[in-house]
Amino acid sequence: EAGVVQSPRYKIIEKKQPVAFWCNPISGHNTLYWYRQNLGQGPELLIRYENEEAVDDSQLPKDRFSAERLKGVDSTLKIQPAELGDSAVYLCASSSTSGRPWDEQFFGPGTRLTVL
Amino acid sequence: DQQVKQNSPSLSVQEGRISILNCDYTNSMFDYFLWYKKYPAEGPTFLISISSIKDKNEDGRFTVFLNKSAKHLSLHIVPSQPGDSAVYFCAASESGDSWGKLQFGAGTQVVVTP
Repeated sequence: EAGVVQSPRYKIIEKKQPVAFWCNPISGHNTLYWYRQNLGQGPELLIRYENEEAVDDSQLPKDRFSAERLKGVDSTLKIQPAELGDSAVYLCASSSTSGRPWDEQFFGPGTRLTVL
Repeated sequence: DQQVKQNSPSLSVQEGRISILNCDYTNSMFDYFLWYKKYPAEGPTFLISISSIKDKNEDGRFTVFLNKSAKHLSLHIVPSQPGDSAVYFCAASESGDSWGKLQFGAGTQVVVTP
């Protein structure tokens, strides 16, 4: 079974430029998460989807960040415009059901973003 | 506001000995706790978990202990192996609407030496 796929793996951009990250969850997983991991810190949840619906986006900086999960499968996270402080690893995870903590979250390898 | 804290950024242990990783939390509403393991350039992978109704959970070489009164949990790895060298994250979740919203600690880098 394929794991969570993320692309690109690495991205370097100038500040004020837009950037987008793509995630393909494990087949059949209804719940999808986007996390941001700053250097030396643990992952921090940005947004959680149940199928197409964003059920928790309280941590998403909505002035510059947006996300979508059309058709309840793949998801895209966008930053526009990027700032220096957005440099981090962006992790996507998926789980099979509705976000109960014992439903294991499977993480992708992440996209390392560097904003210059 | 860091609700889950791992105060030891690194731990070095000899192969075959016990590794003890500690985690403290401040939110009394947390009722499910997890440990994740992360290798470089990979995403975290689930290791072991414990519900707040238990004080111990064991899976092979890994045991997690929970002390609710002290808001403290620990992960024991016995015996430690070179493949255990990784970053270990403690995570916690509340129940209800916050199911699935994991709060992570900053991680502890474990190095197992021969």
